[in-house]
Amino acid sequence: EAQVTQNPRYLITVTGKKLTVTCSQNMNHEYMSWYRQDPGLGLRQIYYSMNVEVTDKGDVPEGYKVSRKEKRNFPLILESPSPNQTSLYFCASSNWDRVGEQYFGPGTRLTVT
Amino acid sequence: TQLLEQSPQFLSIQEGENLTVYCNSSSVFSSLQWYRQEPGEGPVLLVTVVTGGEVKKLKRLTFQFGDARKDSSLHITAAQTGDTGLYLCAGGDAGNMLTFGGGTRLMVKP
Repeated sequence: EAQVTQNPRYLITVTGKKLTVTCSQNMNHEYMSWYRQDPGLGLRQIYYSMNVEVTDKGDVPEGYKVSRKEKRNFPLILESPSPNQTSLYFCASSNWDRVGEQYFGPGTRLTVT
Repeated sequence: TQLLEQSPQFLSIQEGENLTVYCNSSSVFSSLQWYRQEPGEGPVLLVTVVTGGEVKKLKRLTFQFGDARKDSSLHITAAQTGDTGLYLCAGGDAGNMLTFGGGTRLMVKP
């Protein structure tokens, strides 16, 4: 089954404790992306990657890091989480020439206290 | 960053009614997508429109792309409770970023 998986689905952590949210896709997609979704602000793009070893900032990259060492994986790293990073995070992937047609993961709800 | 504004933000209707949701921008998009998101899940792609003036139908849903490729609409005929959800429009630019509108939360009551 074609899918994007994220782990964990739920995470409660404390300020400053480094964390990683994993994302994996099995569709051989070149393009992968991370979004955060907040009430009243909608979905905002954090980082995206056009292919292995190629990453670019989205609209809200501050406080986040990503890496793309393998085509199927695109982890999101919060080196020092803060309460304003409490949000619902989505990973997505697509073919490189159909960036608008993205497959989304189920989401990771992160709470930073 | 290009902006997409959706209206209305919230819509509550009775089953069987028709409705239209709008997605507007001052920018031109190479393509525009509509997604639907249900609680606890990620958005799911409904349709892509590419050509100005294009109309696409998906069962009771009709999608239209404006002639100038700056706006789009989603019309649902005879809404059903299963249509309840958050409807998002999204537009792509030449820089490979995808911009989402704020969404329209639709509630269809039985």
